[in-house]
Amino acid sequence: AQKITQTQPGMFVQEKEAVTLDCTYDTSDPSYGLFWYKQPSSGEMIFLIYQGSYDQQNATEGRYSLNFQKARKSANLVISASQLGDSAMYFCAMRVSGANNLFFGTGTRLTVIP
Amino acid sequence: NAGVTQTPKFQVLKTGQSMTLQCAQDMNHEYMSWYRQDPGMGLRLIHYSVGAGITDQGEVPNGYNVSRSTTEDFPLRLLSAAPSQTSVYFCASSYSDQYEQYFGPGTRLTVT
Repeated sequence: AQKITQTQPGMFVQEKEAVTLDCTYDTSDPSYGLFWYKQPSSGEMIFLIYQGSYDQQNATEGRYSLNFQKARKSANLVISASQLGDSAMYFCAMRVSGANNLFFGTGTRLTVIP
Repeated sequence: NAGVTQTPKFQVLKTGQSMTLQCAQDMNHEYMSWYRQDPGMGLRLIHYSVGAGITDQGEVPNGYNVSRSTTEDFPLRLLSAAPSQTSVYFCASSYSDQYEQYFGPGTRLTVT
């Protein structure tokens, strides 16, 4: 069975500081993908970053990077230089190869303080 | 490209009523899915399709039907609405199972 765990219901970060949002996963499938999505108060789901299980390097997309530690089954999202517009819910999700289902965690609400 | 579109944005139903949530995408994606989002929970898969004419059940399919007659459209039908189906519904599409899913703006459904 696949499972995603996000243990931080809420996080606060000062503007311009970096913040790490935790995500651990569980799967017995060797081929999988890990995703992070942002959901602002307007409600839409915005794709941020992807990491494949066989990728050798950590994924980066602008101010977002994914700290992938395969042995520990963790896929933490790092946001550098936080901006007020980063205030939102952040969801970690996993998709195993051959399956259409994205398994989501319960999310972390990030608040950026000016 | 409009991406993934959903209609309506909001809907209120009475228990027992039926309705169809519409979803369309213009990216020529084969994979399409319906999720529901409940407070304090992540999204859960209702039904999905890997191409026109092919659909399958997800994690929480009871009370919902889908069909996929074209690549672009993937409607979700509520057969007899129940208060437990009050939720926000998201439609998503992707090129394949190896790529990210793109989500529509969501439909907020309330069943009284």
